[in-house]
Amino acid sequence: AQTVTQSQPEMSVQEAETVTLSCTYDTSENNYYLFWYKQPPSRQMILVIRQEAYKQQNATENRFSVNFQKAAKSFSLKISDSQLGDTAMYFCAFTYSTGNQFYFGTGTSLTVIP
Amino acid sequence: DTGVSQDPRHKITKRGQNVTFRCDPISEHNRLYWYRQTLGQGPEFLTYFQNEAQLEKSRLLSDRFSAERPKGSFSTLEIQRTEQGDSAMYLCASSRTGWNEQFFGPGTRLTVL
Repeated sequence: AQTVTQSQPEMSVQEAETVTLSCTYDTSENNYYLFWYKQPPSRQMILVIRQEAYKQQNATENRFSVNFQKAAKSFSLKISDSQLGDTAMYFCAFTYSTGNQFYFGTGTSLTVIP
Repeated sequence: DTGVSQDPRHKITKRGQNVTFRCDPISEHNRLYWYRQTLGQGPEFLTYFQNEAQLEKSRLLSDRFSAERPKGSFSTLEIQRTEQGDSAMYLCASSRTGWNEQFFGPGTRLTVL
């Protein structure tokens, strides 16, 4: 079975500061996709950023960027200029290129402190 | 694009009763997924449809669980003879083939008394 590990159950960051959330995964395949999803309190899950494993360049979406280390099977999320609205659970997720099944980590609860 | 919708949003039932949940995916999405999420955990994959075909089922999906997507549009998830351990949030997500980006619904929170 594939596993996704998020070793930081809770994190906090001061507003306007930068924070990095960690994720590692386990697979023997070469073609896959990685995602970070955000789940605000009592609201539905939304996609933050995605990374194709065949791309060496790290994905960036505005204040969100990833550090994808394929050999180390590591996929961390960096949030710059943190905002109060970034307070949420963040889930790292993995799927193969077929997209038949997604695997999620246990999540990191991020609190942005004003 | 009205997003993924789920009905009901909350369901309270007594142990042993049957419950059915509905998911309406985004209209042009041919892939549909069901997940279960318990408090403090990430979503756990239950099953996956491509159009009307159920292509993947998790070992978590015991014989008390059944899912259908009869016309390749909406889907239903039925739990028979509910147990207290079935209490969870049931999430539905949809995507288009080749995109591998899932759009999630708001979930149905099930409480089994």
